[in-house]
Amino acid sequence: GQQVMQIPQYQHVQEGEDFTTYCNSSTTLSNIQWYKQRPGGHPVFLIQLVKSGEVKKQKRLTFQFGEAKKNSSLHITATQTTDVGTYFCAGRDSNNAGNMLTFGGGTRLMVKP
Amino acid sequence: DAGVIQSPRHEVTEMGQEVTLRCKPISGHNSLFWYRQTMMRGLELLIYFNNNVPIDDSGMPEDRFSAKMPNASFSTLKIQPSEPRDSAVYFCASSLAGGRWNEQFFGPGTRLTVL
Repeated sequence: GQQVMQIPQYQHVQEGEDFTTYCNSSTTLSNIQWYKQRPGGHPVFLIQLVKSGEVKKQKRLTFQFGEAKKNSSLHITATQTTDVGTYFCAGRDSNNAGNMLTFGGGTRLMVKP
Repeated sequence: DAGVIQSPRHEVTEMGQEVTLRCKPISGHNSLFWYRQTMMRGLELLIYFNNNVPIDDSGMPEDRFSAKMPNASFSTLKIQPSEPRDSAVYFCASSLAGGRWNEQFFGPGTRLTVL
């Protein structure tokens, strides 16, 4: 079945440093979504990418979807303590007509003030 | 809208007992998902429903787990009998298939501890 891998699993950064998490799918995706889960909280939707090579920005966050629609990345510029949490990518298989997402394992970001 | 509602928020039970987790999806959403989250295994999809019908239950660990969705506004996940390895946070999420983003809205989760 479809697998979605994320690296790294954990990342410690100093406040102000940049951060990137990478997501790779074993199958071609129709779209990919990103979620953020704060410590003790629940995953919250951030964004969806649909087109090959698409790039979207939300303030200091930049999301990219690979040309082959099998990989994606999330880059945070100048991290802040409010960025702390686990970031998940979630892909929808292009061969799956249903509404199911396959979540990656997540990257846990820790920011030292 | 109140968002996805889950109850109870915390459950502590003893091995062998029956546990029932409850979920009320966002009104108007037609897809509902049950996930389990642990440190070791991350976020796992257990089962999902579309229009109250179970579509994919391949993630249900074993026969001790069962899920129902008797109507569009209520779902249950039951574990009988419970075991210590079932300890986890269980999330319910709902979405609107065909909506603009199709994103999933997660409930606050139920933290289950089986002693």
